[in-house]
Amino acid sequence: AQTVTQSQPEMSVQEAETVTLSCTYDTSENNYYLFWYKQPPSRQMILVIRQEAYKQQNATENRFSVNFQKAAKSFSLKISDSQLGDTAMYFCAFMKPRYSGNTPLVFGKGTRLSVIA
Amino acid sequence: DGGITQSPKYLFRKEGQNVTLSCEQNLNHDAMYWYRQDPGQGLRLIYYSQIVNDFQKGDIAEGYSVSREKKESFPLTVTSAQKNPTAFYLCASSMGLALEQYFGPGTRLTVT
Repeated sequence: AQTVTQSQPEMSVQEAETVTLSCTYDTSENNYYLFWYKQPPSRQMILVIRQEAYKQQNATENRFSVNFQKAAKSFSLKISDSQLGDTAMYFCAFMKPRYSGNTPLVFGKGTRLSVIA
Repeated sequence: DGGITQSPKYLFRKEGQNVTLSCEQNLNHDAMYWYRQDPGQGLRLIYYSQIVNDFQKGDIAEGYSVSREKKESFPLTVTSAQKNPTAFYLCASSMGLALEQYFGPGTRLTVT
């Protein structure tokens, strides 16, 4: 079974600074997908970024980027120029592709990020 | 607007009563999912459904039941057999082979 570990329960960062959230996972699969989801105080889950394991290039979405290290099974999220609206729980998630249908996500326990003015 | 709706936002029940949480989507997605969220636990999968009239148990299905009679709807029943039902429940959906799961706003269930 796949597992996802987020070793930092809580983090804080000054506004406009850069912060990196860690995520490691365990799988025997070669092809899979990784995600970062954000859950602000409203509790609405929002997809931040995704990475396909077969792609060597790290995914980037505006101020959000990942450092994907397949051999190390590591998938960290970097937030640049942090904004107050980035304050949220961040969840790392793993999905094994099943080409005949959908597969559920396996989530880590989350990292609570506070952006301080 | 396309999206996923969950109702109600807050739900209160007495212990021993069954309660059904609603989840509706108009995204034309094939797959739907139910997750439970507890403090410090992340999200845990309860049930998921890939097509109408078919569903599979997730990691914590005991004490829950679902139905999928329509593509748009995937209600979750929390039965009296669920020992600790107070939690935040999230519904999600995804399209076919696409990977992104889209989430509803959630329902906070409190059982006393």
